[in-house]
Amino acid sequence: DGGITQSPKYLFRKEGQNVTLSCEQNLNHDAMYWYRQDPGQGLRLIYYSQIVNDFQKGDIAEGYSVSREKKESFPLTVTSAQKNPTAFYLCASGSTAMNTEAFFGQGTRLTVV
Amino acid sequence: ELKVEQNPLFLSMQEGKNYTIYCNYSTTSDRLYWYRQDPGKSLESLFVLLSNGAVKQEGRLMASLDTKARLSTLHITAAVHDLSATYFCAVDIWDKIIFGKGTRLHILP
Repeated sequence: DGGITQSPKYLFRKEGQNVTLSCEQNLNHDAMYWYRQDPGQGLRLIYYSQIVNDFQKGDIAEGYSVSREKKESFPLTVTSAQKNPTAFYLCASGSTAMNTEAFFGQGTRLTVV
Repeated sequence: ELKVEQNPLFLSMQEGKNYTIYCNYSTTSDRLYWYRQDPGKSLESLFVLLSNGAVKQEGRLMASLDTKARLSTLHITAAVHDLSATYFCAVDIWDKIIFGKGTRLHILP
């Protein structure tokens, strides 16, 4: 089945640690996105990528990093510089060429302990 | 800076009633999406609107797009409890997708 997979579903991090969230898609989409959602809030764009080896900062990129070495994969690292990392992280992929919307993974809930 | 504004942000309504959610955006775009989110879950795509005047309908939900007014609407007809969720509009522009804050819809039996 085609889709977008995020892992892990739940992640706990100690203060000062970096953690990496995985996002993989087999939809052959060029574009991939990372969003952060805080309780009762909307989605805020962290990073996005339209092609391999290229990505752009979104509205809240500070304290995060990404890579796009393969079309299928767009991992997000939450660094120790991110002061309030506890949130629900959503990855999406899409294709303007295919006239489709962005499809979302199931999300990763990150908690700092 | 692209801004996407939804209103209302919270809506409590009785079953059987009709209502409309509004989505305004600040910069020209021909692509607008509507999503649904249930508590603790990810986002589910509802509608893709790709041109001025586009109208899509699915069950009790109908979405429309007016690119000249930079306005999209999501109309709910004869609401039922199962439609209780948070609804987001999102605008696709400059290779990125920006979301509104969402409308939390609570339908009372």
